[in-house]
Amino acid sequence: DAGITQSPRYKITETGRQVTLMCHQTWSHSYMFWYRQDLGHGLRLIYYSAAADITDKGEVPDGYVVSRSKTENFPLTLESATRSQTSVYFCASSPLAVLAGGRETQYFGPGTRLLVL
Amino acid sequence: KQEVTQIPAALSVPEGENLVLNCSFTDSAIYNLQWFRQDPGKGLTSLLLIQSSQREQTSGRLNASLDKSSGRSTLYIAASQPGDSATYLCAVRPWNYGQNFVFGPGTRLSVLP
Repeated sequence: DAGITQSPRYKITETGRQVTLMCHQTWSHSYMFWYRQDLGHGLRLIYYSAAADITDKGEVPDGYVVSRSKTENFPLTLESATRSQTSVYFCASSPLAVLAGGRETQYFGPGTRLLVL
Repeated sequence: KQEVTQIPAALSVPEGENLVLNCSFTDSAIYNLQWFRQDPGKGLTSLLLIQSSQREQTSGRLNASLDKSSGRSTLYIAASQPGDSATYLCAVRPWNYGQNFVFGPGTRLSVLP
């Protein structure tokens, strides 16, 4: 059971290039998320998706594009990478929320370390 | 806007000590609060989830408490071990933020043999 995987695990790119980070989950969870983690900021939400073809912005969406044509995949694209996008990127998934239950958690992938030169 | 802070930022203790990690949040309108563990180069693993109606949760040597009115949570680790060395993150799920969590910056714990 692979759970949630991310690829690549490490990526070095140059300013202005397009980069796509992949996320795949095997649980058929409805919700998927992209975070970035930077020193001093903790994890910040970039985009999330409630189901296939449904996506929405998080706290820091500028410069990023997402798509979700299949439930199990949620790629994150940096259309024109900038140095400020150097970070560790985490993908997460969560089963369909029990609206008033508050019991659900998120399951995280291992992360992608991205360096933009 | 919900903000989450954690004190201390880093902590180093000898093996066997009991310790407390602190988490504060600014808005008490939350569904739940969760403590995660993050090992270097790896993702986050959920340790304990406390629903808004609960006061505490326990798992093995870990105990987490929640005081919504004061906007505080503590994670108590009993009889610490070197394997407990990791970064511990606190996260809250606000009412007005859908399925999303707001994370604190974390506390980096080192347990020395």
